Amino acid sequence: AQSVTQLDSHVSVSEGTPVLLRCNYSSSYSPSLFWYVQHPNKGLQLLLKYTSAATLVKGINGFEAEFKKSETSFHLTKPSAHMSDAAEYFCVVSVGGNQFYFGTGTSLTVIP
Amino acid sequence: GAVVSQHPSRVICKSGTSVKIECRSLDFQATTMFWYRQFPKQSLMLMATSNEGSKATYEQGVEKDKFLINHASLTLSTLTVTSAHPEDSSFYICSARQGGEAYEQYFGPGTRLTVT
Repeated sequence: AQSVTQLDSHVSVSEGTPVLLRCNYSSSYSPSLFWYVQHPNKGLQLLLKYTSAATLVKGINGFEAEFKKSETSFHLTKPSAHMSDAAEYFCVVSVGGNQFYFGTGTSLTVIP
Repeated sequence: GAVVSQHPSRVICKSGTSVKIECRSLDFQATTMFWYRQFPKQSLMLMATSNEGSKATYEQGVEKDKFLINHASLTLSTLTVTSAHPEDSSFYICSARQGGEAYEQYFGPGTRLTVT
């Protein structure tokens, strides 16, 4: 069975400081992992994805994530937060792409 | 590439009426489309999976007679909410998977349904 746990429902950072959004997964098979961002009343935008290639994945807008199999984690990071990063972030695990399992989301607030 | 659109983006309907939401893959053929529902400040819940030309597979607890899904072509899937009630008010998001791409789904912008 597959599942995703986003460890923080809400994260607040100051503009210009690093961002860390935590995600742990459970999967019976080799998973594909994704991070999506959702701005208010908008659809989901793919930030980055891991599909069994390089374990350090770089995405859009300066975000990156590292797949750590030993820790079953796929944390999302960004060196310097921008005001426009304030949004809801979802970690997703999939096996074979047939079904996406969404985490409960992390709301990121960026303080000016 | 890989753009998915939804129409309408917002719809308000009266209780007891039906409303249809369209999901289109604009620049690729989608062998599989997915419909999700999202309540305010919550995660996405998969409602059903539809493959072109066949009946949709509904998740447990989703009423298939209430949420009618049609995937008549490789670029279009529709979700019809029949006899809508206020509790059906939600944000509905579709996604599409390209044939041959086993691991990725492309998401539409969502449709906000309000039932009065």
